[in-house]
Amino acid sequence: AAGVIQSPRHLIKEKRETATLKCYPIPRHDTVYWYQQGPGQDPQFLISFYEKMQSDKGSIPDRFSAQQFSDYHSELNMSSLELGDSALYFCASSHPGGPREKLFFGSGTQLSVL
Amino acid sequence: ILNVEQSPQSLHVQEGDSTNFTCSFPSSNFYALHWYRWETAKSPEALFVMTLNGDEKKKGRISATLNTKEGYSYLYIKGSQPEDSATYLCASSTGGSQGNLIFGKGTKLSVKP
Repeated sequence: AAGVIQSPRHLIKEKRETATLKCYPIPRHDTVYWYQQGPGQDPQFLISFYEKMQSDKGSIPDRFSAQQFSDYHSELNMSSLELGDSALYFCASSHPGGPREKLFFGSGTQLSVL
Repeated sequence: ILNVEQSPQSLHVQEGDSTNFTCSFPSSNFYALHWYRWETAKSPEALFVMTLNGDEKKKGRISATLNTKEGYSYLYIKGSQPEDSATYLCASSTGGSQGNLIFGKGTKLSVKP
């Protein structure tokens, strides 16, 4: 069965550079969530989209932006990268229905900022 | 409780032992409670989504209960096996259908053969 696909799996950037993370949800899932998990920390909700519109916003820095495209894939754009942005970034998708629908997670993108 | 809290942080048991751990969450405006199993080098996998007070769900040797009035959920594993070794995450949502899921830090379970 198709799963949530994230690319790239690993990304190494320098401080002040930009990065773009991509997420391709399971077919017919139209809700996408982004989570950030720093080393030794619990996953933190960043932002979510439903039907290509932002549906909720969490602790996403102003340096980050995200969008969901017409094919429902989503991109997380990160600018002016800081050392503290080094983390595992998970994308998850779900059927419409809000937080009562279980999330299907991608394998994550490990971002290292040097 | 303002955050989702899980206890214990880690747990080491022998194969065959039964075990349980706790997720505490804000009880006001409760909407949904999720349990996920996260194995090393893999992505989290959904175990249960629970919404009603008194809910009990079961999947094989794993079961969960929910008390929304007092804000806690228990996850039970009967006869633990080495393949149960993983981090178990719970996440809670308040604020209705537009709310987001707040995750706890997880309970890391290690089952020794």
